[in-house]
Amino acid sequence: LAKTTQPISMDSYEGQEVNITCSHNNIATNDYITWYQQFPSQGPRFIIQGYKTKVTNEVASLFIPADRKSSTLSLPRVSLSDTAVYYCLVGERDTGRRALTFGSGTRLQVQP
Amino acid sequence: NAGVMQNPRHLVRRRGQEARLRCSPMKGHSHVYWYRQLPEEGLKFMVYLQKENIIDESGMPKERFSAEFPKEGPSILRIQQVVRGDSAAYFCASSPRLSQETQYFGPGTRLLVL
Repeated sequence: LAKTTQPISMDSYEGQEVNITCSHNNIATNDYITWYQQFPSQGPRFIIQGYKTKVTNEVASLFIPADRKSSTLSLPRVSLSDTAVYYCLVGERDTGRRALTFGSGTRLQVQP
Repeated sequence: NAGVMQNPRHLVRRRGQEARLRCSPMKGHSHVYWYRQLPEEGLKFMVYLQKENIIDESGMPKERFSAEFPKEGPSILRIQQVVRGDSAAYFCASSPRLSQETQYFGPGTRLLVL
């Protein structure tokens, strides 16, 4: 499995855009990049998944450069409720059929 | 459609006792996963089950831990003779059988061993 590296923590203020970068230098050809969000005292929740270029949904955008050795999760105009831990996972696309490997994640703290 | 349910949400046990953690997957989901999370760490995979079958238990400690997912009823993670190092949050996730949906996680059971 490709190893991922993320910042341990980030701070932001309400209304700002937050970009969390994940490094995955050993990503394999068949690997996808998936991001999960975990609020305190809750289980992780799927946010977004992508293979290359850019993916956008109602929650976030995911930017993946051509070499795919890193990816950036972008949260537009964060609010206090976006305070959570964000995990970057790399592996096969079908996240419903295999064990997921979580790193330590990035702890995002949004201030008023 | 109710989400993944876990109970109890909090469990306190003394060293040497048994802990039973229950997980009811989402309706229509036949795949169940158990993960353990220590404070300030990410989730660690323990075991993957389908109805009545263990598919992957590579993350399960060899002793004292067992899991089942019977034909009827919830999945059970059982920890015998608990020790203080078993204190953690245990999360269950489920996924459907015939789709490419991701895993949906429950709220977790926080086990404290005194």
